[in-house]
Amino acid sequence: EAQVTQNPRYLITVTGKKLTVTCSQNMNHEYMSWYRQDPGLGLRQIYYSMNVEVTDKGDVPEGYKVSRKEKRNFPLILESPSPNQTSLYFCASSFRRGDQPQHFGDGTRLSIL
Amino acid sequence: GDSVTQMEGPVTLSEEAFLTINCTYTATGYPSLFWYVQYPGEGLQLLLKATKADDKGSNKGFEATYRKETTSFHLEKGSVQVSDSAVYFCALTKNYGGSQGNLIFGKGTKLSVKP
Repeated sequence: EAQVTQNPRYLITVTGKKLTVTCSQNMNHEYMSWYRQDPGLGLRQIYYSMNVEVTDKGDVPEGYKVSRKEKRNFPLILESPSPNQTSLYFCASSFRRGDQPQHFGDGTRLSIL
Repeated sequence: GDSVTQMEGPVTLSEEAFLTINCTYTATGYPSLFWYVQYPGEGLQLLLKATKADDKGSNKGFEATYRKETTSFHLEKGSVQVSDSAVYFCALTKNYGGSQGNLIFGKGTKLSVKP
């Protein structure tokens, strides 16, 4: 089954404790992206990757890092999380940038205390 | 910059009512337009799309027409069901610049349909 898998689905943690949210897709997609969803703000893009070892900033990249060492994986790293990063995060992928639909994971709800 | 504006929610309707969710956009050039739907506890799914002016996207009884003259892409359904309860996002893809092809989303409209 074609899917985008995110882990964990839920996480409560404390300020400053490094965390990684994993994202994996099994569709051999070149393009992957991270979004955060906040009430009243919709979805905003954090980072995206057009292929292995190619990543670029989206609209709200501050406080986040990503890597793309393999085609299927695109982890989101919060080196020193802060409460303003409490949000619902989505990973998405498509064969190439601009292709539709983008396939979304089920989301990761992060709470930073 | 490019942007999408959609009507504030939440929208509450009775089953079989007519639905309209307004969406307007600002973009340079000719973007492609989309409606995505997010059911509770799930990720977003593409509902329908239109890639050029006057195109009509349709799926599952939903329709939207790309209106270049009014820069709009309103979502409509003639008779909603309880199972349509979800959050609906209007979106466009940029077609210029370094981030060409990336999606820009509206803020979302939550729809609740009562039996």
